[in-house]
This record gives sequence, C-alpha cells and structure tokens, in this order.
Amino acid sequence: GAGVSQSPSNKVTEKGKDVELRCDPISGHTALYWYRQSLGQGLEFLIYFQGNSAPDKSGLPSDRFSAERTGGSVSTLTIQRTQQEDSAVYLCASSLVTGGHTQYFGPGTRLTVL
Amino acid sequence: AQTVTQSQPEMSVQEAETVTLSCTYDTSENNYYLFWYKQPPSRQMILVIRQEAYKQQNATENRFSVNFQKAAKSFSLKISDSQLGDTAMYFCAFMKLDSGGSNYKLTFGKGTLLTVNP
Repeated sequence: GAGVSQSPSNKVTEKGKDVELRCDPISGHTALYWYRQSLGQGLEFLIYFQGNSAPDKSGLPSDRFSAERTGGSVSTLTIQRTQQEDSAVYLCASSLVTGGHTQYFGPGTRLTVL
Repeated sequence: AQTVTQSQPEMSVQEAETVTLSCTYDTSENNYYLFWYKQPPSRQMILVIRQEAYKQQNATENRFSVNFQKAAKSFSLKISDSQLGDTAMYFCAFMKLDSGGSNYKLTFGKGTLLTVNP
C-alpha cells in the first residue's frame, strides 16, 4: 500500500512569509508525528496527533508554529513569519497505536528560508 | 528525559565485510523500544530493525542484527556482508512506553554516516 507522503518536497520562501507543509499518513494509522531535522539540532520531535487531537505540542519551538489534523488523516504544519533558523527538513511519521508503534516516515519537506 | 548517544559520526567499510555501529542511551524507564533507522541520500527514513526491551533475545533482520545489553544501556547494530546500497546515515532511536498516555515519540541520536566502499 501507499506510504506516508509529504508535500511539497522542497520549499523556498522569503523571511517573514508563512508556509504550510502537508502530510498524508498511511491509511488507518491513527497516530501522526512531526519531526524537524537540522544540521545543528539533529532530529527533534515537534508535535504528536492521536486522531484529530494533539495531546503533546511540547516540541513546537515557538508560537509561530502550529499544526492541525482533519478527518483523522491529513495534517498540516504551518509556520508563520518564517525565520532563517526555521530552515530544515520537516519529517512526518505515522503509526498504529497498537501493534508495536513502529513509525513509518515520509520523504520530508526541505524548507529553505532566505 | 531520555538521551541517545552515537559516538561514531562517520564509519566506512569494504563491500562484503562486517561493520558494527554503536549506540548507548540513558533512561530510568524499564519498558521501551529501540530502533535503528537508515536515511539514504533520498532523505527517506527507513526502519532497519527494532528491539523490545523486555525481550532478551537480540533482534535480527537478514544481514542486520543488534547486540542489546539492557544493563549497560547499549544497542549496537551489526551489518554483515555490507553492500553498496547500505551507504546511508544510520540513526539509533529510543521510544518510551508511557502507560499514562499514548505519545510514543522517538528520541534520536545524532547519527552515524556509513560509507560502503567497493
């Protein structure tokens, strides 16, 4: 079956603009995670969804970051007023809550803020 | 908080030989999972192998096996008969099993860049 998909693959934006990153999880996976991968910080957890609710937003670095999930499926990560330090690869993963919790990752979105 | 340490930023191995990647972690938890993920230049993070902490037997997946030492908090990955396609960044990851909730987020090490030479 289809894996996790993310769009766009690459995004170049100017400082101060808003961006939206999309994640389409594996069908039937109720848990969805966003991570950020940057040279300086490695891989960091951002936010977790169970269904449409986000019980853990502890990893979001600032209030410029927000995310939502609709229909228990697609999720959107929004970054407002982008800064150069937001440049990174944003990875999405999904899993079944039962059955071992293995997370399956999408190919990521590379965000470059000029 | 959990931490994961990969002490080898880069490693190389000749094709067909065996290589071992190191990983140590720090936790006060008793129930958890450990994972090795592979990230080739395509950027796609691919699961290589997983280990449940309650299992004493080391996990194996074809040419990949782990040496899990729970008391020492060590989780190394052995790749046998290395192939050119194994060239990638390898990440060790820890997942706490939180009985109070359902957030099974991963904590990653910094990664080891493995190059397989022909």
